[in-house]
Amino acid sequence: DADVTQTPRNRITKTGKRIMLECSQTKGHDRMYWYRQDPGLGLRLIYYSFDVKDINKGEISDGYSVSRQAQAKFSLSLESAIPNQTALYFCATSDLRGWEVSDTQYFGPGTRLTVL
Amino acid sequence: GQQLNQSPQSMFIQEGEDVSMNCTSSSIFNTWLWYKQDPGEGPVLLIALYKAGELTSNGRLTAQFGITRKDSFLNISASIPSDVGIYFCAGQPNFGNEKLTFGTGTRLTIIP
Repeated sequence: DADVTQTPRNRITKTGKRIMLECSQTKGHDRMYWYRQDPGLGLRLIYYSFDVKDINKGEISDGYSVSRQAQAKFSLSLESAIPNQTALYFCATSDLRGWEVSDTQYFGPGTRLTVL
Repeated sequence: GQQLNQSPQSMFIQEGEDVSMNCTSSSIFNTWLWYKQDPGEGPVLLIALYKAGELTSNGRLTAQFGITRKDSFLNISASIPSDVGIYFCAGQPNFGNEKLTFGTGTRLTIIP
């Protein structure tokens, strides 16, 4: 079984709809992240969470919100989807390594979101 | 946001050839990671580097943490068809709780 799972894998929706993307992990990691990937732009961080009570904005958080329901679950919401949010969305997890913060991240399989 | 300079952007090689790619940054990093992404999938961690000068191998892949802490290199020896994909470098600055910065990727294509 995969350590980091994302649902749905594909989603087509219309402008103005509310969309939620789910991420679950069985790695026991404290840290979870949401990224979006656009062609030629690599991975850009949307939100991240270092534990259940911690939520932080990334570089492109506008138009998105997140919820960390439990250590293993981190969901991303688009309150009112717009076409330029069409992208691949990835969830990732990481853990502390000894006394250093080493952000070796493990990614889920991604959600392909299309907003018409 | 800041991104690493990764080169080349794309490579077209024949099966059996060796591959080299690199990442450079204007900032110091204390962790360098190399990922591979297959079409339609998430990035998969290949190699993690934690010390300047470190040289680490994973099968036919070898990565090095540059001694200046501002660059890293990935080499693939004797390429095979399953090496096709996009390779990303990622770095973490020299402070705790800083997030990863990703390169823009190197797309590797193997010519039959």
